Amino acid sequence: DTQMTQSPSLLSASVGDRVTLNCKASQNIYKNLAWYQQKLGEAPKLLIYNVNSLQSDIPSKFSGRESGTDFTLTINSLQPEDVATYFCQQYYRGNTFGAGTKLELK
Amino acid sequence: EVQLVESGGGLVQPGRSLKLSCAASGFTFSNHYMAWVRQAPKKGLDWVATISTSGSRTYYPDSVKGRFTISRDNAKSSLYLQMNSLKSEDTATYYCARLAYSSQGVMDAWGQGASVTVSS
Repeated sequence: DTQMTQSPSLLSASVGDRVTLNCKASQNIYKNLAWYQQKLGEAPKLLIYNVNSLQSDIPSKFSGRESGTDFTLTINSLQPEDVATYFCQQYYRGNTFGAGTKLELK
Repeated sequence: EVQLVESGGGLVQPGRSLKLSCAASGFTFSNHYMAWVRQAPKKGLDWVATISTSGSRTYYPDSVKGRFTISRDNAKSSLYLQMNSLKSEDTATYYCARLAYSSQGVMDAWGQGASVTVSS
């Protein structure tokens, strides 16, 4: 099974900051990587798929990159509405989600 | 507007069965793979099952294989999850998710979830 490891588990940042969330796959997943945002009490929402393709209606402040089996989600100009837990997902073999990064405001 | 509405959740004793339903609207249901994903209280996301457009192919992780069955009725735009031999660790919110067109993994629409509690 492919394991997905997210770091950090908790990230505190200020309004206007640029933040980077990390996700590492235990093996090659050939760009089959998505990011989801889940706000408190809500269902997850797709942000990015295939490493760096922005889902429709998602602002361009969100971006994704890869370096081998390491993946990052970057959020530019952090706003209060970005406070959420972010999950990465591999869908190369089955589906595996990371444990999540909880993003909060300082 | 794409809508996915789950129903059928509730409190069930260990070892018993429960069937969840998901009513879909706002898109051509028969064109999309569908999936169930669960989330235990204050935990992460856990994939439960995926079904092909026709229903002829189904996929499960080992944790539920043999106990859970995903099915669909394209005429009714409905998705189902039959859960048997339930365990306390199956306690979670169960989300119905649409897979993006021509994808078997990207989940581009989610329902609000149905709560399942397995307890005596």
